Amino acid sequence: GNSVTQMEGPVTLSEEAFLTINCTYTATGYPSLFWYVQYPGEGLQLLLKATKADDKGSNKGFEATYRKETTSFHLEKGSVQVSDSAVYFCALSDGSGNQFYFGTGTSLTVIP
Amino acid sequence: DAGVTQSPTHLIKTRGQHVTLRCSPISGHKSVSWYQQVLGQGPQFIFQYYEKEERGRGNFPDRFSARQFPNYSSELNVNALLLGDSALYLCASSLGSTGGEQYFGPGTRLTVT
Repeated sequence: GNSVTQMEGPVTLSEEAFLTINCTYTATGYPSLFWYVQYPGEGLQLLLKATKADDKGSNKGFEATYRKETTSFHLEKGSVQVSDSAVYFCALSDGSGNQFYFGTGTSLTVIP
Repeated sequence: DAGVTQSPTHLIKTRGQHVTLRCSPISGHKSVSWYQQVLGQGPQFIFQYYEKEERGRGNFPDRFSARQFPNYSSELNVNALLLGDSALYLCASSLGSTGGEQYFGPGTRLTVT
């Protein structure tokens, strides 16, 4: 079946540190992959996505590359800011696009 | 433009009761999906509706049902509530039916006592 496994948190980093949040997936067919972010007190927002192998999604300095050979979609940012403090969710939609699967979320806190 | 709206914001029900949650998608969006998010976990997919037809169903019991109306708004119904149904219920809308960007509403917090 389809599933997403995300690195457990919480993660605490100093401002300007490098961020990696690991995400691996199991899927049949050709899934699309997503990172969603939930800022404190707000709803889920799409951060970035990739729809096929080797695609790189990017937004707001965050990047993730769809790696079919390692079934991974790790989120990275070169220099985090306090405003990046949030919960990050990795997700996939299956080949039909009609079912979505989320990871358990990784809480990130960035301290000045 | 208004985003996805959900009502009510909070709800308290007793075991065995029935509940109806409502969602209005972004104008022009024809697809609505429902998710259950238990505290500390990621959203779990319940249903997707597109053009008033069910297009996807997650691993939830038959106590959960939904429908989509001609104006693309949607209702999620849960019968015979259990304590374990306590969660945040999220609605998301998208333009099409296949893996496009989803826009999430703020959710309805359901507490079953």
